[in-house]
Amino acid sequence: AQSVTQPDIHITVSEGASLELRCNYSYGATPYLFWYVQSPGQGLQLLLKYFSGDTLVQGIKGFEAEFKRSQSSFNLRKPSVHWSDAAEYFCAVDPPMDTGRRALTFGSGTRLQVQP
Amino acid sequence: NAGVTQTPKFQVLKTGQSMTLQCAQDMNHEYMSWYRQDPGMGLRLIHYSVGAGITDQGEVPNGYNVSRSTTEDFPLRLLSAAPSQTSVYFCASSYSSGIGLSYEQYFGPGTRLTVT
Repeated sequence: AQSVTQPDIHITVSEGASLELRCNYSYGATPYLFWYVQSPGQGLQLLLKYFSGDTLVQGIKGFEAEFKRSQSSFNLRKPSVHWSDAAEYFCAVDPPMDTGRRALTFGSGTRLQVQP
Repeated sequence: NAGVTQTPKFQVLKTGQSMTLQCAQDMNHEYMSWYRQDPGMGLRLIHYSVGAGITDQGEVPNGYNVSRSTTEDFPLRLLSAAPSQTSVYFCASSYSSGIGLSYEQYFGPGTRLTVT
């Protein structure tokens, strides 16, 4: 079955430390890939997206993600975390183009806590 | 543009009651979808629409109905509310700029529903 896996439910990092959030997908072809962030009580904000081309994608707030086809992964990274980055992060995919659905399948999320 | 709007923001229902969650977008987007968010489960797709008059089921459609009579509106109906439908509901819309081209999902602010 098609799925998105975020293996880390909760991560704690110190402010200024680097961050990597993992995301793996299982689809026959490469789907469209997204990372969203949700602050407590808020809606979803798109951090970045990958459709094709350069496998390293830059997003907002200093985030980047790298698509690795061989590992079916799309991990999110940030070199230096700020206290304001504390939030829940969701990886999401849209199946390959031919389904035409234009709706997302989400991972279960990773909650990021930032220690001072 | 107001983007994607959802009403109400909060709602409390008794078991067995029915209600409609409203969703509207003013971006002339073809595609709209409804998700529910539950702790530890990410967002799950309830129903989606690829254009006016066309809807289809997502992962968790039971207990919900949708219709899409106009491009702008995509209401979600709870036929007979159950405590298991306590959740936060998000509506989203997106466009398609053509095969092979990119797109983005725009999310509404969410409706927090409690069924007692």
